[in-house]
Amino acid sequence: GAVVSQHPSRVICKSGTSVKIECRSLDFQATTMFWYRQFPKQSLMLMATSNEGSKATYEQGVEKDKFLINHASLTLSTLTVTSAHPEDSSFYICSAMRGPQGYNEQFFGPGTRLTVL
Amino acid sequence: QKEVEQNSGPLSVPEGAIASLNCTYSDRVSQSFFWYRQYSGKSPELIMSIYSNGDKEDGRFTAQLNKASQYVSLLIRDSQPSDSATYLCAVVGRGGKLTFGTGTQLKVEL
Repeated sequence: GAVVSQHPSRVICKSGTSVKIECRSLDFQATTMFWYRQFPKQSLMLMATSNEGSKATYEQGVEKDKFLINHASLTLSTLTVTSAHPEDSSFYICSAMRGPQGYNEQFFGPGTRLTVL
Repeated sequence: QKEVEQNSGPLSVPEGAIASLNCTYSDRVSQSFFWYRQYSGKSPELIMSIYSNGDKEDGRFTAQLNKASQYVSLLIRDSQPSDSATYLCAVVGRGGKLTFGTGTQLKVEL
């Protein structure tokens, strides 16, 4: 159990286009999902916390108008990178939280590698 | 002081040996602790969760937690080359957010 999928796994796009990434918890319901970004040889950086049915909470320095997050159901959250630029090229990873408060196990999706030309 | 600290390594151990990975954290109210394994170019994989003081064993992995010392460790017995990866210590903070250490790179040598 505790499988999280992400789609697509890899995206190459031109500068200025928007890219949508889906994150799904396949065998459990997740009221909370998280979006991270990781640059090569660096640690995971939390971008935002996504709660089902409410607005996402963004970390300091993350532009909410650029990184649109929608958590439409208990198994699906989406991240849209709007008007992507080369500096947005990175490894984007979502996670879904399973279990009652206080346990908070997070399971990660396989990630989406975004390359903006 | 960083919230979660780990030695970046690399930690090199011979195949079959015990690998010992350590982590300290600063927030005394933390209750949930995790170890993730991350292979190069892949996303993190949860390998151990621990919530109470003492040891927790799962196969070749043992997690140890000492809340008084704010210390959590991971032991890997009978290390295999496939265990070579970066191991991330994570502590749950406010709102369920995970705070990660920078990770310890483990190399298991033949």
